[in-house]
Amino acid sequence: KQEVTQIPAALSVPEGENLVLNCSFTDSAIYNLQWFRQDPGKGLTSLLLIQSSQREQTSGRLNASLDKSSGRSTLYIAASQPGDSATYLCAEGAAGNKLTFGGGTRVLVKP
Amino acid sequence: KAGVTQTPRYLIKTRGQQVTLSCSPISGHRSVSWYQQTPGQGLQFLFEYFSETQRNKGNFPGRFSGRQFSNSRSEMNVSTLELGDSALYLCASSLWGDGRERNEQFFGPGTRLTVL
Repeated sequence: KQEVTQIPAALSVPEGENLVLNCSFTDSAIYNLQWFRQDPGKGLTSLLLIQSSQREQTSGRLNASLDKSSGRSTLYIAASQPGDSATYLCAEGAAGNKLTFGGGTRVLVKP
Repeated sequence: KAGVTQTPRYLIKTRGQQVTLSCSPISGHRSVSWYQQTPGQGLQFLFEYFSETQRNKGNFPGRFSGRQFSNSRSEMNVSTLELGDSALYLCASSLWGDGRERNEQFFGPGTRLTVL
């Protein structure tokens, strides 16, 4: 059974500090790992997708790594801003386009 | 290019009623998946459709059903509503249907269902 875990469930950082968000998964045969952002009451915004054959993916201030052997992915957000406050979710992609989600990390960036 | 759209955005129903939610995928996308999000259970996979066929189903009772039309638009239906069905229902679309590594999924804004 696929399981995805995100620890911590919440964290608070001062503006300008780098954010490090962790995601653990149990299925080494994943197709991909996708990171999303969710603002309160809203849908999910795709941030980055890392294919199983890749080790990392970058977009602007965001960088995500993937280590299948240890079952871990990490999302780095450089120089955090108050606008980065949101819940960040990781999801493991499998056959049939099924995504298995972690519980999310709620981030608060204080001005 | 327009994103994934879902209608209605908000719904209030009473126990025992049924409800139909609609999802229009990004133009050209042929796969549509549905998810339920609740504070207690998080995001859970309901089902996925590709070329009008349900290919994958999550662990939900038969009261939850769906379909996909030839233009890739999808609907999901929940019959005999229960209080526990109150949730944010999200749909996602993707270009391919074979779970390719680069098959990124894009989500709509969701439909907030409240069952009284």
